[in-house]
Amino acid sequence: QSALTQPASVSGSPGQSITFSCTGTTSDVGTYNLVSWYQQHPGKVPKLIIYEGSKRPSGVSLRFSGSKSGNTASLTVSGLQAEDEATYYCCSYGGVTAHVAFGGGTKLTVL
Amino acid sequence: QVHLVESGGGLVKPGGSLRLSCAASGFNLSDHRMTWFRQSPGKGLEWISSIAYGVTSIIYADSVKGRFTISRDNAKTSLYLQMNSLRAEDTAVYYCARLNWDDFTFDLWGQGTLVTVSS
Repeated sequence: QSALTQPASVSGSPGQSITFSCTGTTSDVGTYNLVSWYQQHPGKVPKLIIYEGSKRPSGVSLRFSGSKSGNTASLTVSGLQAEDEATYYCCSYGGVTAHVAFGGGTKLTVL
Repeated sequence: QVHLVESGGGLVKPGGSLRLSCAASGFNLSDHRMTWFRQSPGKGLEWISSIAYGVTSIIYADSVKGRFTISRDNAKTSLYLQMNSLRAEDTAVYYCARLNWDDFTFDLWGQGTLVTVSS
């Protein structure tokens, strides 16, 4: 298993757009198009919001979008709302050996 | 409705053992790979272990390898985590999650069960 690198925290004002980064390696993010993002509110269960790098599950707001370039995946939240305040985790398939690569999470604060 | 419900958490002394269970409902457990995660107080999520449909493929995080054992009983629609030689740093909320192998997503999570390792 390997760790993906995420900034510990970011902040933004309502209405703004925020982009989170998630940096891996050629063993995970760079090779597989299997990056997912999870949103976790305090005391709540993680919720899948992006899969396969840029796809949104049914019911997830269009304000969430994902992308990937090389070994770095990104999550963008547009039109920030107070309810977006949460911790966001990225995840990638890490191949047969590592299996799961998980980020340490980025805490989003809406000012 | 599909659900995962964990149980078996509690207070245990260092060096002790505990067995967690995860009951699945609303879907066929045998069709899915299953995983355990944990989250220490104020910390991020940590993947612990995954098990394939049968028991042919089991993987552990280095932090629990040799101490924890994942297993499943498809007939009983349950997933288990046997935790031995527990340490203070194993204190966490433990979640079971369903792994969708097609897109490698953890698409269903239980509510979690708290394990506290303390003397």
